[in-house]
Amino acid sequence: DIQMTQSPSSLSTSVGDRVTITCRASQSISSYLTWYQHKPGKAPQVLIYGASHLQTGVPSRFVGSGSGTDFTLTISSLQPEDFATYYCQQSYDIPGTFGQGTKLELK
Amino acid sequence: QVQLQESGPGLVNPSETLSLTCTVSSGSISTYYWSWIRQPPGKGLEWIGYINYSGNTNYNPSLKSRVTISLDTSKKQFSLKLSSVTAADTAVYYCARLNWNAFRKFDYWGQGTLVTVSS
Repeated sequence: DIQMTQSPSSLSTSVGDRVTITCRASQSISSYLTWYQHKPGKAPQVLIYGASHLQTGVPSRFVGSGSGTDFTLTISSLQPEDFATYYCQQSYDIPGTFGQGTKLELK
Repeated sequence: QVQLQESGPGLVNPSETLSLTCTVSSGSISTYYWSWIRQPPGKGLEWIGYINYSGNTNYNPSLKSRVTISLDTSKKQFSLKLSSVTAADTAVYYCARLNWNAFRKFDYWGQGTLVTVSS
């Protein structure tokens, strides 16, 4: 299985901050990388797919970059509704594997 | 707007079979892939498997011997069966649409249903 390593696992941050989350694959996954936002009790939602494509309806403050093995999700100015857990996931190979998640908490 | 809703027992006895159904409202079930994903308490997300519109399936090798996913297009439903369950199968189970032609993203998810394995 392709291992996805996400960092940090948690982050204390404030509204207005710029946040960067990284995800590293154990082998090249080209651009088959999706970022999800997950809030408790809710369905996870796609933010970014294909490493850098913004999902329809997602605010432009969410930016994805990278290819191969190293990927980044940047939130340019954190909003109150952005406090959630974020997951990366590779869909290059079966099984599609997820990172362990990054939980954004209010400082 | 595509909506997915999981249904099924919230409690399953050890060694028995876990059965869940996902109902798809709005949109076609016949042109996408459909998947199950789970999250044990305090742990990360684990992809279980998918079925496509032709009935072809693909399962996580770690669960392959115990998993069956099926599709009923007339009811706009797909189902998960996981046999010989143990406490390790306790998790929130999500159904999701797998958009194969868009970098294989899970673009719509259900809200999830907690299944506890316990006697």
